[in-house]
Amino acid sequence: GAVVSQHPSRVICKSGTSVKIECRSLDFQATTMFWYRQFPKQSLMLMATSNEGSKATYEQGVEKDKFLINHASLTLSTLTVTSAHPEDSSFYICSAREWGGETQYFGPGTRLLVL
Amino acid sequence: SQQGEEDPQALSIQEGENATMNCSYKTSINNLQWYRQNSGRGLVHLILIRSNEREKHSGRLRVTLDTSKKSSSLLITASRAADTASYFCATALMFSGGYNKLIFGAGTRLAVHP
Repeated sequence: GAVVSQHPSRVICKSGTSVKIECRSLDFQATTMFWYRQFPKQSLMLMATSNEGSKATYEQGVEKDKFLINHASLTLSTLTVTSAHPEDSSFYICSAREWGGETQYFGPGTRLLVL
Repeated sequence: SQQGEEDPQALSIQEGENATMNCSYKTSINNLQWYRQNSGRGLVHLILIRSNEREKHSGRLRVTLDTSKKSSSLLITASRAADTASYFCATALMFSGGYNKLIFGAGTRLAVHP
């Protein structure tokens, strides 16, 4: 149980385009989902926390208009990287947690390369 | 910002040896969790230890927590080549309204050689 999927697993796009990444909890209801970013050989940096049906809470230094997060249902959250630039190239990982749960279950990650 | 520091940054051992990784953190926590990440993959949850617990075991894993020193350690006994991965500690911080989040340490890259 507790499986989280992400789609796509890799995406290559041109500078200036927008990219949407989906995060789904497959066998549980995720009241809270988290989006992280990870650069090579570095740790995970929390970008934002989203609760189903409400606006996401962004970490300091993360642009809300650049990284749009939608958590419209208890099993799906999306992250849209708008007007992507090469410096947005990174590994994006989502996680999901049940209401009252202590453990976050992580998706397999999405590797974004912006040319 | 990162909460935790992990050491060593990299660890190279032979199969069968034990591997110990340490994590230190700065603020009060609700719990501390250890995760494993294979190269280019997502994270796998290994073990959670609450702030009122001192030690926890799961298979070949042993985790300790010392809240007075704000530190934790992960011990992997009888290591195998398949244990090669990066290991991260993450502290769960509580905020008002029940909101909490994980802050990850820098990670330890473990290499187990056959």
